[in-house]
Amino acid sequence: DVKVTQSSRYLVKRTGEKVFLECVQDMDHENMFWYRQDPGLGLRLIYFSYDVKMKEKGDIPEGYSVSREKKERFSLILESASTNQTSMYLCASNLPTGTGGLETQYFGPGTRLLVL
Amino acid sequence: KQEVTQIPAALSVPEGENLVLNCSFTDSAIYNLQWFRQDPGKGLTSLLLIQSSQREQTSGRLNASLDKSSGRSTLYIAASQPGDSATYLCAVISGSARQLTFGSGTQLTVLP
Repeated sequence: DVKVTQSSRYLVKRTGEKVFLECVQDMDHENMFWYRQDPGLGLRLIYFSYDVKMKEKGDIPEGYSVSREKKERFSLILESASTNQTSMYLCASNLPTGTGGLETQYFGPGTRLLVL
Repeated sequence: KQEVTQIPAALSVPEGENLVLNCSFTDSAIYNLQWFRQDPGKGLTSLLLIQSSQREQTSGRLNASLDKSSGRSTLYIAASQPGDSATYLCAVISGSARQLTFGSGTQLTVLP
């Protein structure tokens, strides 16, 4: 089974702190994604990566950066956390589109971040 | 920009009923459509993925259909059970960046 793990289930940080959220997948997937999920707004894509050291902005990249130094690991960085970044953060991975139906995105359990 | 809408936002049914969840999307040029399940406070679990060239996919009591030209998909759940209670999310992959765009979900409650 595909496994996507996230470093923390719950995190409490102060405004202005630098925050790292880590995601690791064990299926050798090329693509990895970071979403945030908020009530009434659904899931919104922050950043994604289709290869090591590659990254693309999603719909709401402001205030975030990412790092992908190894294929299995994709990190989301909040350079200076703000209260409006309080949210549920979900990481996902999959194979590239066009791989014959294997493009299912697999999600981690999520990290609930509270910024005070 | 792709937009995905799910109706209804919430649904409550008695155990044993068959039910249909609806999903619509604005840009019919999709690569595939995926249905997910999310339990409270948890991540998403993939239920079914339908390629753009397919009309439907089945897994156990679940059947998902896709009408790409009209921008619609339905998720049919047969003989619902209390364990089916969860939020069901529809998502499509589209655009040059092959991004996944999600609907807001339908919160399903199956009453015993």
